[in-house]
Amino acid sequence: ELKVEQNPLFLSMQEGKNYTIYCNYSTTSDRLYWYRQDPGKSLESLFVLLSNGAVKQEGRLMASLDTKARLSTLHITAAVHDLSATYFCAVDARQGGSEKLVFGKGMKLTVNP
Amino acid sequence: KAGVTQTPRYLIKTRGQQVTLSCSPISGHRSVSWYQQTPGQGLQFLFEYFSETQRNKGNFPGRFSGRQFSNSRSEMNVSTLELGDSALYLCASSLYETQYFGPGTRLLVL
Repeated sequence: ELKVEQNPLFLSMQEGKNYTIYCNYSTTSDRLYWYRQDPGKSLESLFVLLSNGAVKQEGRLMASLDTKARLSTLHITAAVHDLSATYFCAVDARQGGSEKLVFGKGMKLTVNP
Repeated sequence: KAGVTQTPRYLIKTRGQQVTLSCSPISGHRSVSWYQQTPGQGLQFLFEYFSETQRNKGNFPGRFSGRQFSNSRSEMNVSTLELGDSALYLCASSLYETQYFGPGTRLLVL
């Protein structure tokens, strides 16, 4: 059974600082997703990583995927308050053609001024 | 293009009742998935439908069921509600790689 672990689960950081969060998963998959969730809201798609070595960047966030290590990272550069949210990674536990995402527990990020 | 829509947005039921939630996917998307989100268990996969067929099912009791119509709209039903069914139910649609999530239905069971 596929398991997805995120760490840390809670992060409080100051504006302007950098940080990297990690997502490990237990079985082979070549599709990994990062989502953002604001309180009381739905999930917003941030990145889709589809192959080993994939790197994507959007604004102050950069995500990468190492399928051999079963590891994805989400790097935050020069954090700003607007980045405060919960970040989920999810791995596609695809069975045949069927889509099924297995989510990590999420990392709650608070960026303080 | 309109996003994924879910109705109702909020619902209060009592134990033992049943509930039906609706999801309209993004136009052209044929795959619809449902997830349950609770503080304790996090986000858990319920089921996925494609072209009116259930392709995958998560580890939920048979009280949870769903269906998909020919226009790709999907419904999920929960019978004999229990307190533990209180959750945010999220629907997602996809065409290729990315699943796009709707706003969710927040269900409270009293």
